[in-house]
Amino acid sequence: QLQLQESGPGLVKPSETLSLTCSVSGGSITSSSYYWGWIRQPPGKGLEWIGIIYYSGSTYYNPSLKSRVTIFIDTSKNQFSLRLSSVTSADTAVYYCVRGIGSISWFDPWGQGTLVTVSS
Amino acid sequence: EIVMTQSPATLSVSPGERATLSCRASQDISSNLAWYQQKPGQAPRLLIYGASTRATGIPARFSGSGSGTDFTLTISSLQSEDFAVYYCQQYNNWPPMYTFGQGTKLEIK
Repeated sequence: QLQLQESGPGLVKPSETLSLTCSVSGGSITSSSYYWGWIRQPPGKGLEWIGIIYYSGSTYYNPSLKSRVTIFIDTSKNQFSLRLSSVTSADTAVYYCVRGIGSISWFDPWGQGTLVTVSS
Repeated sequence: EIVMTQSPATLSVSPGERATLSCRASQDISSNLAWYQQKPGQAPRLLIYGASTRATGIPARFSGSGSGTDFTLTISSLQSEDFAVYYCQQYNNWPPMYTFGQGTKLEIK
C-alpha cells in the first residue's frame, strides 16, 4: 500500500524559505502513471493546490504561487520536495503531499500533513 | 481559474437520514470532479472521482452524480463516522490548475 510522509521544519521565519520533503513508500516514484504534488490548508480554512511534478522532472505550479515555488524530485531516494521562498504569515498551513493519477487528476493517497508556522 | 462553490456551508442531519451536498463549477468541467472527506486532525480522503466513481474501499452509501457545472454528493444513511467536512475538487484544466470548493461541514442534528 502506497504511503506518503512529509518531513521538514515546523517553524520558518518570515522572508525565509520553507522546505519540505515527501518520502514515498510502498511504490516507485518513477511510475509513468502518476504525478506527485503538494496541497496546503491554512488553519481552519480550505485546500489550495500548490503544484505537481512528474518523475521526469516536468512541473506545473499554481499561478498564484509560481514565482516562489519549486518542486523537485529525487528518484534515487523515492522522494520529492517543496521549496517556497519569501514566506509570510499567509503561508502558515498544513502542507500535504499527494499522488495524482495522471497530470489532470484527483489526488490519492495523501500524506498525513505537516504544520508549518511562519513566525519570527 | 475555475471557481468551485459548495452549498450549504453547514448541513445538520440526523444519523440514519440522507444527506445531499452540492458543488457548482463556474464553467463546464464535464465529469472531472472529485469529492473528499476530511475529519478533524486528518488528511482528506478520496471518496469519489469522475463525478460518480467510488474510490477503493468507500461504502456504497456514498454516491456522486452530475456533470457540466452541477454536482451532488449523496450519503444515503448517515453513520456516526460520516460527520466531517466534505470538499469537491475540479481537475478539468490544461495546463493543470486544480481548485477546491470551500467545503461543507456535515454535523449531527
